[in-house]
Amino acid sequence: DGGITQSPKYLFRKEGQNVTLSCEQNLNHDAMYWYRQDPGQGLRLIYYSQIVNDFQKGDIAEGYSVSREKKESFPLTVTSAQKNPTAFYLCASRPPRQGANQPQHFGDGTRLSIL
Amino acid sequence: DAKTTQPTSMDCAEGRAANLPCNHSTISGNEYVYWYRQIHSQGPQYIIHGLKNNETNEMASLIITEDRKSSTLILPHATLRDTAVYYCIVRISNFGNEKLTFGTGTRLTIIP
Repeated sequence: DGGITQSPKYLFRKEGQNVTLSCEQNLNHDAMYWYRQDPGQGLRLIYYSQIVNDFQKGDIAEGYSVSREKKESFPLTVTSAQKNPTAFYLCASRPPRQGANQPQHFGDGTRLSIL
Repeated sequence: DAKTTQPTSMDCAEGRAANLPCNHSTISGNEYVYWYRQIHSQGPQYIIHGLKNNETNEMASLIITEDRKSSTLILPHATLRDTAVYYCIVRISNFGNEKLTFGTGTRLTIIP
C-alpha cells in the first residue's frame, strides 16, 4: 500500500543529544513537510522541501535540520539547540507540481519526549 | 489565508448524518476549503476539499454556499470511528504557500 511512514512512533532524547526522525513515502510525491504539534494546539511548519536537494525553513526552523537526498525520504534532526523539543512531530507530502491544490497527506507521527 | 470559525464541539448519534459547519467569511476567490480530521495520537487525515462546487467522495460531502462564506462537511452515516477533531482550513493553492494552518477545530463525538 502507498503511504507515508514515520519512525519511530515514540522517541526519547537525553539532554544535549541530537535525534533523527525518519519519514519515508512511496507515493511519488515531490513535496514533503515537517510539522510540530503541541498539546491542544494546531500544527506549526518546521521545514518543507518541494524537490530533491532543496528545502526551505518554515515558521519554527531554529534547532532543527533536514536533508532531502532522495525523493522518498525527508529525515528531520532535532538538535541539542532545540530547547523545548517535547512534541508530536508530523511528516506530510503532496503530489507533484501540477497539483497545486492537491492536499497534503500525513504520516502517523513521532512523539518525542525528553528524559 | 482566510480565518475559519468552527464550533468547539458537537455530538451526533451513531448512524445519523453528522453536519459540521465552518464559517470563512473573509475567503478570497482563489482560496480552497479543505477538511481534515485527527483521531487522538494519529496524524491528520485528509477528507475532502473544494473551491466553489459541492464535492462528494467515499468519506464525505462538502457543501459550499454560493457566496463561499461558509461550508458544511457531511458524514452521511456516522460511526463510532468518526469520533475525532475535524479541521476546516482555507488556503490559497500555490507553490509559495506551503503551510497548512490548523485552528482548534470541532471535536465530534459519535454517541452509540
